[in-house]
Amino acid sequence: GNSVTQMEGPVTLSEEAFLTINCTYTATGYPSLFWYVQYPGEGLQLLLKATKADDKGSNKGFEATYRKETTSFHLEKGSVQVSDSAVYFCALTPNSGGYQKVTFGTGTKLQVIP
Amino acid sequence: GAVVSQHPSWVICKSGTSVKIECRSLDFQATTMFWYRQFPKQSLMLMATSNEGSKATYEQGVEKDKFLINHASLTLSTLTVTSAHPEDSSFYICSARDGGHRNQPQHFGDGTRLSIL
Repeated sequence: GNSVTQMEGPVTLSEEAFLTINCTYTATGYPSLFWYVQYPGEGLQLLLKATKADDKGSNKGFEATYRKETTSFHLEKGSVQVSDSAVYFCALTPNSGGYQKVTFGTGTKLQVIP
Repeated sequence: GAVVSQHPSWVICKSGTSVKIECRSLDFQATTMFWYRQFPKQSLMLMATSNEGSKATYEQGVEKDKFLINHASLTLSTLTVTSAHPEDSSFYICSARDGGHRNQPQHFGDGTRLSIL
């Protein structure tokens, strides 16, 4: 079956540091890949997505590139802010059509300190 | 094993009927649960935040009279799609976090595939 593996957290960084949260996946075919963010007390929000190999999703300074050869979708940001403190989830859905189950990673908590 | 159970996993029904989806936290108490909707090949969309013992908080554009949410206990939240129509066909997912531990991860149900004929 499909699976998503994220790096363990929490990740603690100083403001303006570079962020990388690793995500690798196992799936057949070419799934769509997503990063979601969950701020304290709130529901998930879509951060960015990529639907095919070599696509780069980007939003709010965050980027992730769909790497088919390494089955990875690592999240990066060049300079984090305190307001980026949240839990980040990597997820995939098959692209085989219809209503397919979402597979989530376990989430990585990011703490940014001033 | 699964810590959030969602039931049913798949339901097909006629247009005009109401469908209830249950979301249960199996071994922890969840003061807050979230309900999401996913359209084919698209991302999740947060529909509402379900709070135990109080009214749900709906996201903009989500009809609260259409999607009734009840969170009557610390382990159960229900989503009822009232008078369902084909455009309500979708994949619905709930999630919950152990309310007693701030650093506990979010747990997701396996989702409910709803098909309205």
